[in-house]
Amino acid sequence: DAGITQSPRHKVTETGTPVTLRCHQTENHRYMYWYRQDPGHGLRLIHYSYGVKDTDKGEVSDGYSVSRSKTEDFLLTLESATSSQTSVYFCAISDSSPGTPQEQPQHFGDGTRLSIL
Amino acid sequence: AQKITQTQPGMFVQEKEAVTLDCTYDTSDPSYGLFWYKQPSSGEMIFLIYQGSYDQQNATEGRYSLNFQKARKSANLVISASQLGDSAMYFCAMREGWGGSYIPTFGRGTSLIVHP
Repeated sequence: DAGITQSPRHKVTETGTPVTLRCHQTENHRYMYWYRQDPGHGLRLIHYSYGVKDTDKGEVSDGYSVSRSKTEDFLLTLESATSSQTSVYFCAISDSSPGTPQEQPQHFGDGTRLSIL
Repeated sequence: AQKITQTQPGMFVQEKEAVTLDCTYDTSDPSYGLFWYKQPSSGEMIFLIYQGSYDQQNATEGRYSLNFQKARKSANLVISASQLGDSAMYFCAMREGWGGSYIPTFGRGTSLIVHP
């Protein structure tokens, strides 16, 4: 299994508080992603990174920021959490060469269940 | 418009029978990749199978095969000889983009229940 660790695995917090989720990889993969999963919506991309200090927005980036200061760590921050951000958050990594026979799938962490009251 | 459409929110199949889970996609990119993932009730995402847009043959991985119909933009997952452990959510995903960024999009998933 790909070495991906998400922390914390569970968190309950209050509206308006800042929250940071961490994704740590030991695979030295270039690409890292944050998704949220909600019933009826599948997985939706929040932000992704294609290298150290190189990040970009995904489909549902409002209210979230990210940082990647090292290859192995990708942080997701909710500056002021809202109840609509209650969700399961997945980190994924990939070292894919798109469009080539060497293309690899994403590997996912085990998820973080975040509840905002 | 959704890039990945999974029209079957739920499917039921008898153990040992085959089942097809539908996935259609929308892209104008000539190079793309299609993936299927399984998510059991325990929550982890498990990669099942991959099909590249230039692949001439349908991908197969054990009991999983991908029925790739490029002109129809469909990438259906076929599970042969269903097992009770196949009960899970299944997600179809597409990667677009040539070089540079790798931007995957997921469908909303299909829940598969295998009956004994």
